Order: sequence, then structure tokens, then C-alpha cells
Amino acid sequence: GDSVTQMEGPVTLSEEAFLTINCTYTATGYPSLFWYVQYPGEGLQLLLKATKADDKGSNKGFEATYRKETTSFHLEKGSVQVSDSAVYFCALSDGQFYFGTGTSLTVIP
Amino acid sequence: EAGVAQSPRYKIIEKRQSVAFWCNPISGHATLYWYQQILGQGPKLLIQFQNNGVVDDSQLPKDRFSAERLKGVDSTLKIQPAKLEDSAVYLCASSLGSSWGYNEQFFGPGTRLTVL
Repeated sequence: GDSVTQMEGPVTLSEEAFLTINCTYTATGYPSLFWYVQYPGEGLQLLLKATKADDKGSNKGFEATYRKETTSFHLEKGSVQVSDSAVYFCALSDGQFYFGTGTSLTVIP
Repeated sequence: EAGVAQSPRYKIIEKRQSVAFWCNPISGHATLYWYQQILGQGPKLLIQFQNNGVVDDSQLPKDRFSAERLKGVDSTLKIQPAKLEDSAVYLCASSLGSSWGYNEQFFGPGTRLTVL
């Protein structure tokens, strides 16, 4: 069945460091791909999405490119801030949603 | 626009007791989802409704879990009787529809259940 595998955490970075959180997927069709973020004490929020191969999703300085050839959707940000501290979930949808296990990010000043 | 509402936010019960969670989706959203998120894991879909019909309940432990969405708006999820392994955050989400491919889900704040 479909599944999502993402980099385990926790990840701790200094402010202004470069962030990469790896995500790979397994799917039989052509799913849509997402990154969700969960800030402390809040519900999941959609961060960005890509609906077809080679699409790049972007939001709040975060980017991820739908790579069909490597079945990946890695999340990147060039310069993280303390306010980016949260848990990040990679997910796919082929009609049903499948979430990864989440990666906790802590950014220290 | 009001978001997805859930109540209660926290619940502590003893094993073998019953518990119910309530969710009110965003107005106009036809599709409603219940997820279980165990600590350290990603959300796992329990059940998906399209209006008041069940689209997918393949991962719902039907011997103890039940859910309904009688009027196609709000929904309740019930556990009876609860087990220790049911301790988790129960998330409700809604979307405009559920057509194949992408349909953005909006999540509620969740209900944190602790079973002692």
C-alpha cells in the first residue's frame, strides 16, 4: 500500500541555519504531496503542497519539489527562525491521506 | 471563517470506560475525517465521511470504536470500552470534497485522551 517515510528527529538547528527534512513516498498512482506543520499546542496546518511531478510547493520561505524519479518531497528552508520550531509531517493523498511519523524541529537563538 | 471545532480538548478515563468526542467541521465542508495520533507517530485515518455516508472505515477498530455523522454536519466518535492503547490525540479534519487526488484538509485542535 501507499506510505510515507520521513527523516527521524529530533532536529536542532541554530537560527539562520539551512534546513532539510527528507521525505520519500511509495504509491501506486500519482498522488498529491503535502507538508503539514504542527506548532506547539496547535492543530496541523497545511504548509505547502504539490499535485504533480516537478511541481514546487512554497510557503513562508519553505520549499519542496515533487520528484517522481526519486519518489521524494524533501522540505527545505534557507534560513530558519526560532518561530519555525514545530513538528513537520510529510503526507500524500491518492484519495486517502497517509502521513509520515513527523520530524520535530527546534531552532535555538 | 470559523475553523474545525472539537470538544473536549482533554479527557482522562479509566480502562473499560466509555468516551465520546465531538467535531463540528467548517461550514459547507462535505467531507469529515477522524484521525488517531499516537505520541511520536503521524495521524492515522480512522474514518472518512462524505456528507452523512461512510467513505472509508477500514482502519476503525469496529469492536470498540464507532462514529456517526447523522445530519451530514457535526460528528461524534465513541470508544466503548476504552483500552490503555487508545491513549492518543484524536483529530478531526474537514475538506470541501473528497475527489480523487488533492483536497485540502483543515484540522481541529484535537482531543487528547488518556486512558489509565
